Amino acid sequence: NAGVTQTPKFQVLKTGQSMTLQCAQDMNHNSMYWYRQDPGMGLRLIYYSASEGTTDKGEVPNGYNVSRLNKREFSLRLESAAPSQTSVYFCASSVSPTGRETQYFGPGTRLLVL
Amino acid sequence: TQLLEQSPQFLSIQEGENLTVYCNSSSVFSSLQWYRQEPGEGPVLLVTVVTGGEVKKLKRLTFQFGDARKDSSLHITAAQPGDTGLYLCAANNDMRFGAGTRLTVKP
Repeated sequence: NAGVTQTPKFQVLKTGQSMTLQCAQDMNHNSMYWYRQDPGMGLRLIYYSASEGTTDKGEVPNGYNVSRLNKREFSLRLESAAPSQTSVYFCASSVSPTGRETQYFGPGTRLLVL
Repeated sequence: TQLLEQSPQFLSIQEGENLTVYCNSSSVFSSLQWYRQEPGEGPVLLVTVVTGGEVKKLKRLTFQFGDARKDSSLHITAAQPGDTGLYLCAANNDMRFGAGTRLTVKP
């Protein structure tokens, strides 16, 4: 039981390049989330998927797209990376999107855009 | 939009000291969670509080939810170096996190 896994762990991109961050969970959770964490800003929600087949924008969705591939997997795509997207990206999952459920986080992907 | 303000932003103390960190909002929380994040890892849930005035204890950690459900506090008794980390509060009705309090406990 690995919980939430993310790949890659580290990535360096040049401005304008694209990439996809992968996330998978093995807890049979319905809801999945993508956050970014910047110094002094806490975690900010990019997109979430309340259940398989649905996705919704969070607080900072511009420049990103997501795909809920199946119940286990939720990917985040940067179509044309910008230096402002340098950050640590966390994927999380929970049984449901209600406010009282525990979110389980992956170890993060550290992205540097030059 | 529910903004969460955490204070202090940084806290450095000696082992054995007590401390309190705060999470405040101008809006009412439906529920609030506290997470701890260690360097290089994702946050891990410590507690969820849902009722105004609620107090929950987790070993040396005491969590309090304000009567009006607009604020919360985390008190640590006799802090240990293992308590070092970033403490985040989250208002999960809109999946919003505070900026966190970075705690360092020196041996």
